[in-house]
Amino acid sequence: AQSVTQLGSHVSVSEGALVLLRCNYSSSVPPYLFWYVQYPNQGLQLLLKYTSAATLVKGINGFEAEFKKSETSFHLTKPSAHMSDAAEYFCAVTLGGGADGLTFGKGTHLIIQP
Amino acid sequence: KAGVTQTPRYLIKTRGQQVTLSCSPISGHRSVSWYQQTPGQGLQFLFEYFSETQRNKGNFPGRFSGRQFSNSRSEMNVSTLELGDSALYLCASRDISNTGELFFGEGSRLTVL
Repeated sequence: AQSVTQLGSHVSVSEGALVLLRCNYSSSVPPYLFWYVQYPNQGLQLLLKYTSAATLVKGINGFEAEFKKSETSFHLTKPSAHMSDAAEYFCAVTLGGGADGLTFGKGTHLIIQP
Repeated sequence: KAGVTQTPRYLIKTRGQQVTLSCSPISGHRSVSWYQQTPGQGLQFLFEYFSETQRNKGNFPGRFSGRQFSNSRSEMNVSTLELGDSALYLCASRDISNTGELFFGEGSRLTVL
């Protein structure tokens, strides 16, 4: 079975500062990894995904994540935070094959300080 | 292209009642999955349907059930509601060729009193 751990339920950064949200996974086989974002009173939106191609994945809104197999990590970064980035971020894993549901981390609430 | 539509958005039920939630996927998406979101447990996978067949199911009791129709629309049902069933229920659809790339609706927020 696969699992995901997101370190830090809340992360606060200043506007313009680096954003780093941590995600570690556990999987017996090479996984598919994802970051989703949820704004208040909305569903989730896909930011980016890793599917065993390039280890550095670029997503929407300036976010990117790097797959590091040796560290079993898939941390999300953005060079310069914007107020509009304030939201809940979820890391997720699946083993693929089509029929597997996503296993989500508990989420990290990103707070942007003006 | 219209997004995933869930109805109703908000509903209040009492313990012991049952509830049916509806989801219309993005046009052309034949896979529909359901997730329960609560503050304590986070996002948990309920089940996935493809071509009217349940392909996978999460670790939920039998009170939680679903179905999919020939037009890919899906419903989920919760019978004998408990207080702990209060949650945001999210539906997601996907193109079957894109693993894990889910498109979520805004959810149905269920409150059980």
